[in-house]
Amino acid sequence: DTGVSQDPRHKITKRGQNVTFRCDPISEHNRLYWYRQTLGQGPEFLTYFQNEAQLEKSRLLSDRFSAERPKGSFSTLEIQRTEQGDSAMYLCASSDELADGSYNEQFFGPGTRLTVL
Amino acid sequence: AQKVTQVQTEISVVEKEDVTLDCVYETRDTTYYLFWYKQPPSGELVFLIRRNSFDEQNEISGRYSWNFQKSTSSFNFTITASQVVDSAVYFCALRGGGAGGTSYGKLTFGQGTILTVHP
Repeated sequence: DTGVSQDPRHKITKRGQNVTFRCDPISEHNRLYWYRQTLGQGPEFLTYFQNEAQLEKSRLLSDRFSAERPKGSFSTLEIQRTEQGDSAMYLCASSDELADGSYNEQFFGPGTRLTVL
Repeated sequence: AQKVTQVQTEISVVEKEDVTLDCVYETRDTTYYLFWYKQPPSGELVFLIRRNSFDEQNEISGRYSWNFQKSTSSFNFTITASQVVDSAVYFCALRGGGAGGTSYGKLTFGQGTILTVHP
């Protein structure tokens, strides 16, 4: 069983460009989460999916950000018209949860480090 | 709103010393979940432990132990006989829940404690 994988691991882009990141969760995990981590800070929640449904979005997720999980497996996070303030590590996590909250540990991928020049 | 505060920003110890990382949380949820994660220099967050708010038993796993005190809203983490490989950033995190133990989605993280263990 492989862990959560993310692609690419590093992305350097120029301000104003669009970028897309991919996350492949642990197989059969029903929940998938996106977080953002800036230097010296803890991860901050962006959004999460239960299967293909996007259940919650943070206020951090501006209109330039969009996330999808079309078939309830992998997910993509797109940032349009990138700004220097978008530079951060984007982390994906997954969990396999029961309705009563059991087994709700989230397992994280290695992250995608975005640098906006 | 939920909040997690990690009392120490940085801790430096010499190998074999015991070290405790303090975490204080705030939540209005009656059911909630607390976690500790380790982030080594490689960057990947590693899950260490989960504790439910309705289970106040402390836990020991090898050199690691956790002390959950609901009365003081604290969930502290102790490493006994620290080793150089323990050097990492450690995060405490909180997740709210509803009736019947249902769990909401997002984790709220503290700002992290940087632990450096010197040989």
